[in-house]
Amino acid sequence: DIQMTQSPSSLSASVGDKVTITCRASQSISSYLNWYQQKPGKAPNLLIYSAFNLQSGVPSRFSGSGSGTDFTLTISSLQPEDFATYYCQQSHSTPLTFGGGTKVEIK
Amino acid sequence: EVQLVESGGGLVQPGESLKLSCAASGFSFSDSAIHWVRQASGKGLEWIGRIRSKFNNYATTYAASVEDRFTISRDDSKNTAYLQMNSLKTEDTAMYYCARNDGDGYSKVDYWGQGTLATVSS
Repeated sequence: DIQMTQSPSSLSASVGDKVTITCRASQSISSYLNWYQQKPGKAPNLLIYSAFNLQSGVPSRFSGSGSGTDFTLTISSLQPEDFATYYCQQSHSTPLTFGGGTKVEIK
Repeated sequence: EVQLVESGGGLVQPGESLKLSCAASGFSFSDSAIHWVRQASGKGLEWIGRIRSKFNNYATTYAASVEDRFTISRDDSKNTAYLQMNSLKTEDTAMYYCARNDGDGYSKVDYWGQGTLATVSS
């Protein structure tokens, strides 16, 4: 199975800050990497697919980059509604696997 | 509007069975693969498995942790997918989500239901 490692596991930031979350795969997954946002009590919401493609309806302050084993999710200017947990997920092969999550909290 | 609505969760004892349903609308259900993903309280996301379309013979793939106990099926005439869970263990307690794949593969899991809670406890 492909292991996905996210860092940090949590971070504190202020509204307007630039936030970067990283995800590393245990083997090359090309660009088969998705990012999700999950708020408490809600289902995950797809933000970025295939490493850098913005899902329809997602604000442009979210962006993704990377390929191979190392990936990044960037929020260019953190907004109040962005405080949530973020997960990366590889779609290179089954079983699909998720990173452990990054909780973004208010500083 | 794409919608997925899970149902069938509840409280069962260890060793018992439970069958979850996922009713879909707003897209071509028969052309889409459907995934099941679970999340224990306060924990991360765990992929359980997937069922492909009739075009791919309703092929299923499972996570090793459930493949001898869980079965995914679908009824395209009802736009509904199912997760049959047998020999349940306390560690199966979780919120269970169904999710649509954009297409019949597994590259883009784009819409999720709100989840249904399964609790396994004596």
